[in-house]
Amino acid sequence: AAGVIQSPRHLIKEKRETATLKCYPIPRHDTVYWYQQGPGQDPQFLISFYEKMQSDKGSIPDRFSAQQFSDYHSELNMSSLELGDSALYFCASSFRTGHPEAFFGQGTRLTVV
Amino acid sequence: EDKVVQSPLSLVVHEGDTVTLNCSYEVTNFRSLLWYKQEKKAPTFLFMLTSSGIEKKSGRLSSILDKKELFSILNITATQTGDSAVYLCAATNSGGSNYKLTFGKGTLLTVNP
Repeated sequence: AAGVIQSPRHLIKEKRETATLKCYPIPRHDTVYWYQQGPGQDPQFLISFYEKMQSDKGSIPDRFSAQQFSDYHSELNMSSLELGDSALYFCASSFRTGHPEAFFGQGTRLTVV
Repeated sequence: EDKVVQSPLSLVVHEGDTVTLNCSYEVTNFRSLLWYKQEKKAPTFLFMLTSSGIEKKSGRLSSILDKKELFSILNITATQTGDSAVYLCAATNSGGSNYKLTFGKGTLLTVNP
């Protein structure tokens, strides 16, 4: 069965650079979530989208922005990267109604040096 | 603020033991409770619970939800070394445009041979 696909899997950037992470949800899923997980931490909710509109916002820095496109894929844009942005970034997708269980992608490991 | 608390934070057992992991939640407009197993990469979905008192089972794993007392437990019987992982509990809410998963900090389970 198709799963959530994230790209790239690994990314190394320098401080103050920009990064773009991509997420392709499971087909027919209408909700996408982004999470940031630091070493030894639980996933922290960043932002979610339902039907291409932002549905909720968590602890997402102003330097980050995200959007969901007409094909339901989502991109997380991160600018002015800081060392503390180094983390595993997960995307998850679900149906908003009926089947709310969220399935996660394999994550993008971002390292800022 | 929505909150999910898991206990214990860490647990070390021997193969064959039975373990019980706890999750309590305080979530506005609670909808469902999800259990995930996280090894080195993405959380993998285990169970979704929406109704009180109905046990869900999958092999040696089972889980139940108590919506009156606002908690859930995850049981693993006859543990194996492959069960070693972080087990995450997450609560979802619903209503309006607010739809996200709130995670607990996880329980690190180590099963020794």
